[in-house]
Amino acid sequence: AQKVTQAQTEISVVEKEDVTLDCVYETRDTTYYLFWYKQPPSGELVFLIRRNSFDEQNEISGRYSWNFQKSTSSFNFTITASQVVDSAVYFCALSEGASGTYKYIFGTGTRLKVLA
Amino acid sequence: EPEVTQTPSHQVTQMGQEVILRCVPISNHLYFYWYRQILGQKVEFLVSFYNNEISEKSEIFDDQFSVERPDGSNFTLKIRSTKLEDSAMYFCASSAGPYNEQFFGPGTRLTVL
Repeated sequence: AQKVTQAQTEISVVEKEDVTLDCVYETRDTTYYLFWYKQPPSGELVFLIRRNSFDEQNEISGRYSWNFQKSTSSFNFTITASQVVDSAVYFCALSEGASGTYKYIFGTGTRLKVLA
Repeated sequence: EPEVTQTPSHQVTQMGQEVILRCVPISNHLYFYWYRQILGQKVEFLVSFYNNEISEKSEIFDDQFSVERPDGSNFTLKIRSTKLEDSAMYFCASSAGPYNEQFFGPGTRLTVL
């Protein structure tokens, strides 16, 4: 069965610190997609990144970077030099086609608090 | 930049009443979804819709729920007889293809009294 685990419920850091949000997934499918979304206090879900199961290259976008490791079924997200505006709940999600549609299975989210 | 819109932003209703939540997906998208998020909890899949029919629904999506794409632009979620436990944020999402990222609307907060 598909499952996404975000073991960190809440993380607090001081501005400018680096922080890594963990995501571990379970799937039997060989073709799947992984995503990160940000949910700021205003409540909307903002897309951050999409990765397919065949592409294990790490990705960097500004202060954000993602480390995808199939060997450990992990897709971790690092924010470098965190800022107060990074404060939000971050969700990792898995999408696979075994059920017929590529619906998302979300993790429980990690609340990140960046203190000034 | 195209975006998914949802109305209303907040709906308050009495238990047993019918509600319709409305969404306008991104215009060239073909795959549509509804998710819900009970306060403080994770986002849960409700239903997916493609080619004018439901392609998958979760256990949550029972006979009280229905979806419709009445006019080629709107995508609606109807709850026939609301229960207290239906109180949640409901998100509509759309994507260009089954493997593409889904873009979410701002959500409708449903409060059932």
